[in-house]
Amino acid sequence: QVQLQESGPGLVKPSQTLSLTCTVSGVSISNGLYYWSWTRHHPGKGLEWIGYMYYRGSTYYNPSLKSRVTISVDTSKNQFSLNLTSVTAADTAVYFCARGAYGEPDWGQGTLVTVSS
Amino acid sequence: EIVLTQSPGTLSLSPGERATLSCRASRSVSLSHLAWYQKKPGQAPRLLIFNASNRPTGIPDRFSGSGSGTDFTLTISRLQPEDFAVYYCQQYANSPLTFGGGTKVEIK
Repeated sequence: QVQLQESGPGLVKPSQTLSLTCTVSGVSISNGLYYWSWTRHHPGKGLEWIGYMYYRGSTYYNPSLKSRVTISVDTSKNQFSLNLTSVTAADTAVYFCARGAYGEPDWGQGTLVTVSS
Repeated sequence: EIVLTQSPGTLSLSPGERATLSCRASRSVSLSHLAWYQKKPGQAPRLLIFNASNRPTGIPDRFSGSGSGTDFTLTISRLQPEDFAVYYCQQYANSPLTFGGGTKVEIK
């Protein structure tokens, strides 16, 4: 059974960097069969895809966030991470990590990140 | 970027009724790489359909997907109380992946 769990600060100050980690269990990130993604859900709005990566290093980002986003992997810990720089209140959302192949069948529970001073 | 437009925005139905949700793409979704998700407050999205018409293990057969090219449909044959939620389509044929704006299925 594949499980994902997001972790990181729930409160980030404007202009700072939002950093989240997704810990994966039940499957090795390095098996190369899947992509590993981040999606966010703004309060009262729809889902917004942030980006994904393949183990071998390919990354793909939402063009609207591309200049601020980095997704990276730590295979020794079976984790992947999201960094979003220069955050504003518009980045307040619930952030989800997920495993993808054909669609995304496995998701973390989500973590609320609030951007506020 | 493939833009997905879902309709209607809200669907008001009673338990036991049939729900038909539409997802239209701005250009053809190759290989029918389109998924449907159910989203409830405080929960992660739940994958209902992948590759336009395939159900993952454990998804009830009252959920079905159809379509190809630019027009896709999610049908819930007989709404159960737990099916009232927001539904999103997603294309994963091309990067950037994109979601539709969602259809809320509410109790009439």
